[in-house]
Amino acid sequence: NAGVTQTPKFQVLKTGQSMTLQCAQDMNHNSMYWYRQDPGMGLRLIYYSASEGTTDKGEVPNGYNVSRLNKREFSLRLESAAPSQTSVYFCASSVLGSYEQYFGPGTRLTVT
Amino acid sequence: QKEVEQDPGPLSVPEGAIVSLNCTYSNSAFQYFMWYRQYSRKGPELLMYTYSSGNKEDGRFTAQVDKSSKYISLFIRDSQPSDSATYLCAMSEGMKTSYDKVIFGPGTSLSVIP
Repeated sequence: NAGVTQTPKFQVLKTGQSMTLQCAQDMNHNSMYWYRQDPGMGLRLIYYSASEGTTDKGEVPNGYNVSRLNKREFSLRLESAAPSQTSVYFCASSVLGSYEQYFGPGTRLTVT
Repeated sequence: QKEVEQDPGPLSVPEGAIVSLNCTYSNSAFQYFMWYRQYSRKGPELLMYTYSSGNKEDGRFTAQVDKSSKYISLFIRDSQPSDSATYLCAMSEGMKTSYDKVIFGPGTSLSVIP
């Protein structure tokens, strides 16, 4: 039982490049989330998927897209990376409607 | 004003000390209050949660909520070096039919010195 896994762990991009962050959970959770964490800002929600087949914008969605591939997997795509997207990205999952979220280990992204 | 505020620290205490970590918030609709612990270069993990006002104890940890003051606390007794981490408070209004929005504080960095 791996919980929530994320790939890659680290990534360096040049401005304008694109990439996809992958997330998978094996807890049979309905809901999945993407957050970014910046110093002094706390965790900010980028997108979430309350259940398979649905996705919605969070607090800071600009510059990102998501895909809920199936119940287990939720990916985050940066189409044209910008230095402002340098951050640590966390994926999380939960039972539908629950406040209790389980987080992955994070992806550290640097955009130069 | 941010919805949830938390002193970032860093807070440094000797082993065995009692630690008090605090958050204030502005949304009176919050009903669920959580504390997450985040070790360096790891994802946050849920430590404790409480519903509405009052205290909740779990081993060396006590969570306290004062809704009238919009203030929550986490107390750690007999602190250990393994408690060194960043502590994030988090809050939500309650279970909805689909998505229960959780607001996180920025976290307080704690170091327990042996």
